[in-house]
Formats: sequence, C-alpha cells, structure tokens
Amino acid sequence: EADIYQTPRYLVIGTGKKITLECSQTMGHDKMYWYQQDPGMELHLIHYSYGVNSTEKGDLSSESTVSRIRTEHFPLTLESARPSHTSQYLCASSELGHPYGYTFGSGTRLTVV
Amino acid sequence: GQQLNQSPQSMFIQEGEDVSMNCTSSSIFNTWLWYKQDPGEGPVLLIALYKAGELTSNGRLTAQFGITRKDSFLNISASIPSDVGIYFCAGLFMGGSQGNLIFGKGTKLSVKP
Repeated sequence: EADIYQTPRYLVIGTGKKITLECSQTMGHDKMYWYQQDPGMELHLIHYSYGVNSTEKGDLSSESTVSRIRTEHFPLTLESARPSHTSQYLCASSELGHPYGYTFGSGTRLTVV
Repeated sequence: GQQLNQSPQSMFIQEGEDVSMNCTSSSIFNTWLWYKQDPGEGPVLLIALYKAGELTSNGRLTAQFGITRKDSFLNISASIPSDVGIYFCAGLFMGGSQGNLIFGKGTKLSVKP
C-alpha cells in the first residue's frame, strides 16, 4: 500500500499552461524530493526539502518551483509548460538523516503538446 | 558531483538464468541500496547494505557491500518474467551531497525475444 501519493498519474496539457503536480506522504517524513526521469531511465534530482519552509534546488536545473507549507505536502509547479518539460516526475520522501533510503510515489507522466 | 557507474546498462534474460549487475565509484560510500522500478511505477527498495563486506539476501536477490566501500553488486538467481524492469543502485556518500542519495543510471532487464 502506497504511503506517498502523486496526482495526477497522467497529464496532457497545452504549451503555456500553468500546472501543479501534487505529492503527499503519510509517513511523517521530514525530507522530500522531486526527480525528473528521462526516457533513458536516469533519475535527475530537481528539488528537495528538509522540512516545512525549506526548499533546495537539486543537481539538474529546472524551471519548476516547489513549496513546503505542510510536512506531508510537496507540490511542484510549472508556471508555463513547454514541450521540453515532457517527462516522468517522481516524488520521494525519507526520514531526515535516516539511512533506510527513500520511498517513491508512482510518478506523474507529463506530456506538453 | 559524485557519480556511480552502474553496469550493464541493459541486459536480456531468459527465464531461469542468473543475473548480475554492479555499481562502482571512485569515492567511499557508507550505505548502498538497490531499487527496482516496474514500468509506470516509482522505484521500490529491494535491499539495503550498511557495512563493508555485508552480504544480504531477499528471496532470489543477493547484494553485497564491497569491502573497499566503493562498489556493490546485485545478483538475481533463477530469473522469472516478473524480474523485468529497471534496477538502480544508490549510495549515501560520506563526504557530502547534502545527505541525498546518489543514484546509478540504471540497468534495464528485458526478456530475450
């Protein structure tokens, strides 16, 4: 049973639209992450958060923004979607400083036409 | 930044075959993890390793934390069709990366035609 939820699972949207990808976790994890996964499989960290009111940029530059107003919620927003944003977006969470690894959501497959 | 070299990038299996994949790095890691990603889903943790030389099994899966702390391997014995997917190694780097896991680029396991 998934403890981290991403919605929507699939989204097809026109160029220039504003979109928000939702991610919520029920495990009380402090740390949360957003990854972009290209068709070549590789996972690219684009944003992460240590906790409420904390947001950090990841290794891959992204035009998206994130917010962390509540511990359980870490939404990702694209103000103006472009075809180059077409990708799979994965959200994950972990306990701060805990070595047991991440729990991933099922992902959102975004297509911008 | 730190990188993990995961190989092979892809492989084809026939049911019943044993499978082996590995990850190496030029840096020392204090945790190694192995994940599997099924199509359309997020990665799921298979095995976690915390001590150099540690050998851990999970059913038909066996993974080892290299004695030098710079590598890890994953073996799958007597493969079955549901083993297909993408396998990621991940490591927690001792020297930084803000406590974020570093992921390999993945090994895609497919069924031989």
